[in-house]
Amino acid sequence: GQQLNQSPQSMFIQEGEDVSMNCTSSSIFNTWLWYKQDPGEGPVLLIALYKAGELTSNGRLTAQFGITRKDSFLNISASIPSDVGIYFCAGQLGLGAGGTSYGKLTFGQGTILTVHP
Amino acid sequence: EAGVAQSPRYKIIEKRQSVAFWCNPISGHATLYWYQQILGQGPKLLIQFQNNGVVDDSQLPKDRFSAERLKGVDSTLKIQPAKLEDSAVYLCASSLRQRTGYEQYFGPGTRLTVT
Repeated sequence: GQQLNQSPQSMFIQEGEDVSMNCTSSSIFNTWLWYKQDPGEGPVLLIALYKAGELTSNGRLTAQFGITRKDSFLNISASIPSDVGIYFCAGQLGLGAGGTSYGKLTFGQGTILTVHP
Repeated sequence: EAGVAQSPRYKIIEKRQSVAFWCNPISGHATLYWYQQILGQGPKLLIQFQNNGVVDDSQLPKDRFSAERLKGVDSTLKIQPAKLEDSAVYLCASSLRQRTGYEQYFGPGTRLTVT
């Protein structure tokens, strides 16, 4: 089945630093999504990407959909303490995939982000 | 707009007991998903509903897990009998088909501990 490899597994940074994390897949996705999960909560959608090569920003967050459709990147600029959490990438076959798996998300293992004040 | 609601938030049971989780999706969202998230891993899809019909339950351990979505709104997920390895967070998500795709929104989850 499809597998996502997310890296790094964890990051320890100082407040104000920029952060980069990425996700690679063994197969193609038509949609990439990035989520953040705080302890004891469900994942919260940060950014959704629908087209190969697409670059999308949401405040200090920027994500890109790789040209090969097998990877995606998330950057966080000028990190702050509330950025602490686990970041997950997720791939989706999405519209046009047909069959029954169009909505199914395949998640990476997560990147644990710690920000020191 | 209210988010996805789940209850209970926490549940502790002994192995071989049964347990049920409830989910109320975002109003108007036709698609509902149940995920299992084991500590240290990303969520894994168990079952997907489109309205009240199942469209993907390939990852659901059907010998002990069951789920239903009567009337195409609320859903329940049941485990009977529970095993130690079922200890996890059970997340419910819902989505609306949009022009670009399906953006899924998650509830807070139910943390299950099986002792």
